[in-house]
Amino acid sequence: AQSVTQLGSHVSVSEGALVLLRCNYSSSVPPYLFWYVQYPNQGLQLLLKYTSAATLVKGINGFEAEFKKSETSFHLTKPSAHMSDAAEYFCAVSPISSGSARQLTFGSGTQLTVLP
Amino acid sequence: EAQVTQNPRYLITVTGKKLTVTCSQNMNHEYMSWYRQDPGLGLRQIYYSMNVEVTDKGDVPEGYKVSRKEKRNFPLILESPSPNQTSLYFCASSLWGTGTENEQFFGPGTRLTVL
Repeated sequence: AQSVTQLGSHVSVSEGALVLLRCNYSSSVPPYLFWYVQYPNQGLQLLLKYTSAATLVKGINGFEAEFKKSETSFHLTKPSAHMSDAAEYFCAVSPISSGSARQLTFGSGTQLTVLP
Repeated sequence: EAQVTQNPRYLITVTGKKLTVTCSQNMNHEYMSWYRQDPGLGLRQIYYSMNVEVTDKGDVPEGYKVSRKEKRNFPLILESPSPNQTSLYFCASSLWGTGTENEQFFGPGTRLTVL
C-alpha cells in the first residue's frame, strides 16, 4: 500500500526566505506525485505534479519540486517566500499501475506561515 | 467556467437528522470522489465513482452513502449524522483517461457541524 509522509505540520519562514516543504512516499514502484495548495476557506488547487517526464518539476507561483527516487522524496521549494504563499500544502501520491481506482492518497498537510 | 460546486457551504445540524450535500461538475469528468478533511489527518477518501452507476468505498465510508445517477452529480448522503462526522468535506472530479496522473479538481468545501 502506498503512503505519504509530510515532515513538519507547521513551517514558518520569513518573507524572502527559502521555502522547503518535505514529502516522502512509500510505494513499491515510483508513483505519480502531486503537490496541492489550500488557501484559507478554499478548496485544493494543484501546484505541480510529477509524472516521470522530468525529475525537476516547475509549478505555479514560483514553486518547484524535485523527484528523488533514491530518497523516495518529492520536496517542494520556492526560492523566496511571499506573504501570499501562506496556506496549507498537501503532498499526494497516485499509483502508476493502478490496481485501485482511488487515485490519490494525501499526506497530513503542512501549514506554511510567512512572517513579515 | 470549469468548476466543481458544492452545496451547502456551511451546515449545522443535529444528531440523526438526514442530510445531503450536493456536488456537481461541468467538465464531463468520469471520476468523482468525496473526501473529509480533519486536522492532522489530511484528506481521507469517503467514496468514489468511476462513472454513472459505479461507486465504491474509500478509506472511511462508514456512515455515508453516495449515488451517481448522472455523470455531473455525485451527492453525499448522511442518513443519521453523528458528532464524529463533524468535518470539512470536499468533492473532487477528474478525467479517468489512460492513467492516474490526471489532476483532481476540488470543490470549495462544505463545513458540517453535527450537534
